[in-house]
Amino acid sequence: GQQVMQIPQYQHVQEGEDFTTYCNSSTTLSNIQWYKQRPGGHPVFLIQLVKSGEVKKQKRLTFQFGEAKKNSSLHITATQTTDVGTYFCAGPPRGYKLSFGAGTTVTVRA
Amino acid sequence: NAGVTQTPKFQVLKTGQSMTLQCAQDMNHNSMYWYRQDPGMGLRLIYYSASEGTTDKGEVPNGYNVSRLNKREFSLRLESAAPSQTSVYFCASNNPGTGGAEKLFFGSGTQLSVL
Repeated sequence: GQQVMQIPQYQHVQEGEDFTTYCNSSTTLSNIQWYKQRPGGHPVFLIQLVKSGEVKKQKRLTFQFGEAKKNSSLHITATQTTDVGTYFCAGPPRGYKLSFGAGTTVTVRA
Repeated sequence: NAGVTQTPKFQVLKTGQSMTLQCAQDMNHNSMYWYRQDPGMGLRLIYYSASEGTTDKGEVPNGYNVSRLNKREFSLRLESAAPSQTSVYFCASNNPGTGGAEKLFFGSGTQLSVL
């Protein structure tokens, strides 16, 4: 089964609001990656976190890696229609093969 | 640079038919992967090739075979297609680093329907 769990599965957001999606692993991860997939598209790499407690920002997106390196979060502020898509977290619980979460699908109400 | 190129983009098969999905990358990556994506399941690894000349099973290998033809190309074959193999298939590549997995570059996907 999947090693990496993501919640929520769906997120319906009013334009301008903030939201957070969470990623939890049953095992310690050497790193965690986040990808975004637009509707009908392919996953595109957003960021990689490596250090315990690491926080990285990309404009309105804030990524955090937990202290125990078993969880991560993606926080989006002031959601825009361009944020629509599915966000996946992925980690390598075994060697370097990535295990993907099921994703959080984001829709935005204008 | 084209990145990762997959063919075909769409395919409809009848149960029992065979086909090969082709993938090529021009980024000189050592590792290549085949994933399938089903609603609510995320991306599940079918097979991967850590380097030229090696292949190994992922989470869901049953019903599939792969060939790492050379460093650039990694194909996925369905010998006898089943309706359960209806899915979107993605090829990906990267160069694994010493600190763990490195970012994946994905192809545009193949939407496969098995009737």
